[in-house]
Amino acid sequence: QSALTQPASVSGSPGQSITISCTGTNSDVGSFYLVSWYQQHPGKAPKLLIYGVSKRPSGVSNRFSASKSGNTASLTISGLQAEDEADYFCCSYAGASTVIFGGGTKLTVL
Amino acid sequence: EVQLLESGGDLVQPGGSLRLSCAASGFTFSNYAMNWVRQAPGKGLEWVSVISSSDGSTYYVDSVKGRFSISRDNSKKMLYLQMNSLRADDTAVYYCAKSLTPGTTDSEGYFDYWGQGILVTVSS
Repeated sequence: QSALTQPASVSGSPGQSITISCTGTNSDVGSFYLVSWYQQHPGKAPKLLIYGVSKRPSGVSNRFSASKSGNTASLTISGLQAEDEADYFCCSYAGASTVIFGGGTKLTVL
Repeated sequence: EVQLLESGGDLVQPGGSLRLSCAASGFTFSNYAMNWVRQAPGKGLEWVSVISSSDGSTYYVDSVKGRFSISRDNSKKMLYLQMNSLRADDTAVYYCAKSLTPGTTDSEGYFDYWGQGILVTVSS
């Protein structure tokens, strides 16, 4: 199964908002409300930002929000901060007890 | 505090075998499905396998089926990944990852705690 499709890179200035898209198919994103998002800084393990399409774990800033429409999920980061510069990965349940990740998006804070 | 600590990574020749271990602490290990997720150098994340919290059900990504085997020892709070017939494209950092929701029999793709990762290099 192919990875979910994310833009390779996005950028924004401090204080701005950016949105990262994650496009799947009717077999994964489009069929299940089991979408999550992860943030990964260089050399570090990923961190769970969003689960269940739009839920934030305890401790995650409310500057991170997410949604889903059809086969595409989206992550929005508002009030960009320098510390948000990282790689972001979407993830979806893909049926048959399997999980698929997106290819990742590098966020640059200008 | 939840901690996951992987070990067992190494340089191995193509066709060889390796067993990764993950020591868990800080939570009721037996209540949660556990996963392995890998990341090839400079690449994205790839879910590899999950083992359920209760009935021992196991699931794998197609590329490792028949070669990798996940297991757990709840009494020791340990997760394992036996990797056989290793190939160059198995080269990656392997992460042990805890499932968010207790009692699940497979992976929802929600990994709330990760280990620091362990490097497996397959090369001659």
